[in-house]
Amino acid sequence: DIQMTQSPSSLSASVGDRVTITCRASQSITSYLNWYQHKPGKAPKLLIFVASNLYSGVPSRFSGSGSGTDFTLTISNLQPEDFVTYYCQQSYSHPYTFGQGTKLEIK
Amino acid sequence: QVQLVQSGAEVKKPGASVKVSCKASGYTFINYGVTWVRQAPGQGLEWMGWISAHNGDTKYSQNLQARVTLTTDTSTSTAYMELTSLTSDDTAVYFCARDDGGGYFDDWGQGTLVTVSS
Repeated sequence: DIQMTQSPSSLSASVGDRVTITCRASQSITSYLNWYQHKPGKAPKLLIFVASNLYSGVPSRFSGSGSGTDFTLTISNLQPEDFVTYYCQQSYSHPYTFGQGTKLEIK
Repeated sequence: QVQLVQSGAEVKKPGASVKVSCKASGYTFINYGVTWVRQAPGQGLEWMGWISAHNGDTKYSQNLQARVTLTTDTSTSTAYMELTSLTSDDTAVYFCARDDGGGYFDDWGQGTLVTVSS
């Protein structure tokens, strides 16, 4: 199975800041990396698919980059509703696997 | 609009089985797959498995392969996840999600809480 490692596990920032979350795969997954936002008690929401494609309706302050084994999710101009948990997920091969999550907290 | 509506919360005893449904609407069911994901209390998201609504092909997590079965009923556009031999470690919120075909999940059910307790 492909292991996905996110860092950091938690991150403190302020409204208006720019933050970057990293996701590393245990082997090359080319660009088959997706990012989700998960609010407590809700279903996860797709933010970015295939490494850098912004999903419909997602604000442009979210962006993704990377290929191979190393990927990043960047959130610019943080808004209050962004302080939740983010997950990466590889779709290169089954079984698809998620990172362990990064919790974004208000400083 | 795309909707995935899951069945309600369940309470089960250890050793029992549970079957969660996920009824799809707003799209052509057989043109997509359905993935199941769970989240145990205080834990992250765990991919459980995938089923093609087109031909019933399945892929399962190795951890759960012996206990989980995914099925679909194309006549009602409904996907099912059955998990057997439940333990307290299976207490979690279970989500279904539409798989776009590219392995990413663009629409999700609301989640079903399964509690395993004696």
